[in-house]
Amino acid sequence: QSVLTQPPSASGTPGQKVTISCSGSNSNIGNNYIHWYQQVPGTAPKLLIYRDNQRPSGVPDRFSGSKSGTSASLAINGLQSEDEADYYCAAWDNILSAVDFGGGTKLTVL
Amino acid sequence: EVQLVESGGVLVQPGGSLRLSCAASDFTFSDYWMSWVRQAPGKGLQWVASIKRDGSEKYYVDSVKGRFTISRDNAKNSLYLQMNSLRVEDTAVYFCARGPLISYFDYWGQGTLVTVSS
Repeated sequence: QSVLTQPPSASGTPGQKVTISCSGSNSNIGNNYIHWYQQVPGTAPKLLIYRDNQRPSGVPDRFSGSKSGTSASLAINGLQSEDEADYYCAAWDNILSAVDFGGGTKLTVL
Repeated sequence: EVQLVESGGVLVQPGGSLRLSCAASDFTFSDYWMSWVRQAPGKGLQWVASIKRDGSEKYYVDSVKGRFTISRDNAKNSLYLQMNSLRVEDTAVYFCARGPLISYFDYWGQGTLVTVSS
């Protein structure tokens, strides 16, 4: 059971916008940065969004992050076939003194 | 280019011990938090442990406290994870990861597989 809650799956067609949610509490998302990772099965995770809404160099601006209270979202605009992957949110937890990961969302591009 | 290369993953019996290593290159190792994150077969990511730049602070997930020890050697640009009293549920790919802060990881290694089984 993950501390951060994500939907197990999401889907969209090429060109569509898809949003993946991540829900937590005041001990994690509510008072700390949220970060997002993309993982193509069989490969290492890749940092997609950090500090709520910052993109590392090389990440397309189709990817964006937002946060409100104890929830956060990852939006993917102009969905492409190569976006098919697993997506994870993560945040520091002040009570656990640990990094919490969400359970992951499997994105399918139809 | 930043490189993180893990090694040491093998098949080990329950109750056994193992030491994982992560060799870092092409960045100033001592400037970053370093962490281990694992992924059990077919499962999601789980943070395991993190160590501060100078080794003065260490954090662990509850399930490994007292059994695993994270350490680093800044002179050798290396990160380690000493794993004792291994359990079947520790079976996973273990990733080494770099972080500007403790809370996120901007570069990851390719992982090393630890299998705990009799």
